[in-house]
Amino acid sequence: KAGVTQTPRYLIKTRGQQVTLSCSPISGHRSVSWYQQTPGQGLQFLFEYFSETQRNKGNFPGRFSGRQFSNSRSEMNVSTLELGDSALYLCASSLTTGLAGVNEQYFGPGTRLTVT
Amino acid sequence: GQQVMQIPQYQHVQEGEDFTTYCNSSTTLSNIQWYKQRPGGHPVFLIQLVKSGEVKKQKRLTFQFGEAKKNSSLHITATQTTDVGTYFCAPRRNYGGSQGNLIFGKGTKLSVKP
Repeated sequence: KAGVTQTPRYLIKTRGQQVTLSCSPISGHRSVSWYQQTPGQGLQFLFEYFSETQRNKGNFPGRFSGRQFSNSRSEMNVSTLELGDSALYLCASSLTTGLAGVNEQYFGPGTRLTVT
Repeated sequence: GQQVMQIPQYQHVQEGEDFTTYCNSSTTLSNIQWYKQRPGGHPVFLIQLVKSGEVKKQKRLTFQFGEAKKNSSLHITATQTTDVGTYFCAPRRNYGGSQGNLIFGKGTKLSVKP
């Protein structure tokens, strides 16, 4: 079974631009979560989608948005990029969400975004 | 909101020594997961703990969930160079009884000197 894939793997953008990152979950997984990872802040939760609906949202400004398609693929968008948005953006998929059973997350390799 | 403190932030050990990382929460947790991220890699799921006082073992790794379900620990016996990486605890946020997203601690970065 193929793992979580993210595209692009690396991206360089200029302040003020916008960017769209893509995530394809493991086949059959309906939940997709996005995280921002930086050396100083660690792994911070952005949002989670399940069956095309945003289920949970982290404490990020409205410049960060996402969506999920009917095939469970997900995209996240960051508008008006700032230098502080430079980070590794990780996507993780899981079978379900919000249930008491083991609900491990499978992470993709991430997209390394650099804002200059 | 739910806060997670993970200590230590860094740990340097000689190969063969033991290693422990601790995860402490200000609130009672429903369950907690542990992940490992190798340098340059992505987080990989290790285990999930659910019950009060639960102890699970995976070869040289021992995971514990506190009796009060507010803390957890990961202990590695006789570390090897393959154990190098950052270990994250990730409790799940609760919203009035319904479970929400995972909250990752800042992790403990383990380095092992051969």
